[in-house]
Amino acid sequence: GAGVSQSPSNKVTEKGKDVELRCDPISGHTALYWYRQSLGQGLEFLIYFQGNSAPDKSGLPSDRFSAERTGGSVSTLTIQRTQQEDSAVYLCASSLRGRGGQNEQFFGPGTRLTVL
Amino acid sequence: GESVGLHLPTLSVQEGDNSIINCAYSNSASDYFIWYKQESGKGPQFIIDIRSNMDKRQGQRVTVLLNKTVKHLSLQIAATQPGDSAVYFCAENAGGTSYGKLTFGQGTILTVHP
Repeated sequence: GAGVSQSPSNKVTEKGKDVELRCDPISGHTALYWYRQSLGQGLEFLIYFQGNSAPDKSGLPSDRFSAERTGGSVSTLTIQRTQQEDSAVYLCASSLRGRGGQNEQFFGPGTRLTVL
Repeated sequence: GESVGLHLPTLSVQEGDNSIINCAYSNSASDYFIWYKQESGKGPQFIIDIRSNMDKRQGQRVTVLLNKTVKHLSLQIAATQPGDSAVYFCAENAGGTSYGKLTFGQGTILTVHP
């Protein structure tokens, strides 16, 4: 089927507003990951879901960031009271399993967030 | 802290040449390594991976070499083509409680000239 999809592809918001970014993983993939990529930089891990639970959320930069996953499928990353330093491309990935074999991560195209 | 870095931020080659992209890692607990290719405006695309119990793995036109003694990883691309132009990232996973987390290097820009 289709690959990982993310929406919106671009989001421009004003400082202080809340934003929600959506990720639809590949069907059947149990693990889901969020990363952030600043301009010209590598990817920075944010959070990892196995099913609906998040065993590792160590990369969330602050308590303004939260994520949830429902039904073992769609995930939403929420950023409250956005700041200019939140501007980045937010990438979602999924893998068939979270550990051991079959953990190749497939990435979506990302959501480019710009905070004015 | 843990880090994965690249020796060369840019690499320019002629079409048909072989390319070698290098990566150093510092976490000796890492047991899984991946190379990704990222084209402009797209998410990273998996190229090849290798586990720490191996020192070499080959794919189609690509080879990954792992030297655990010096914590070094390299990606070799044979007969480089213009379509190979992209940013290449190495990534590592330490397994254990970090099994869901990939740590990425900063990336190398590969430019292939026709």
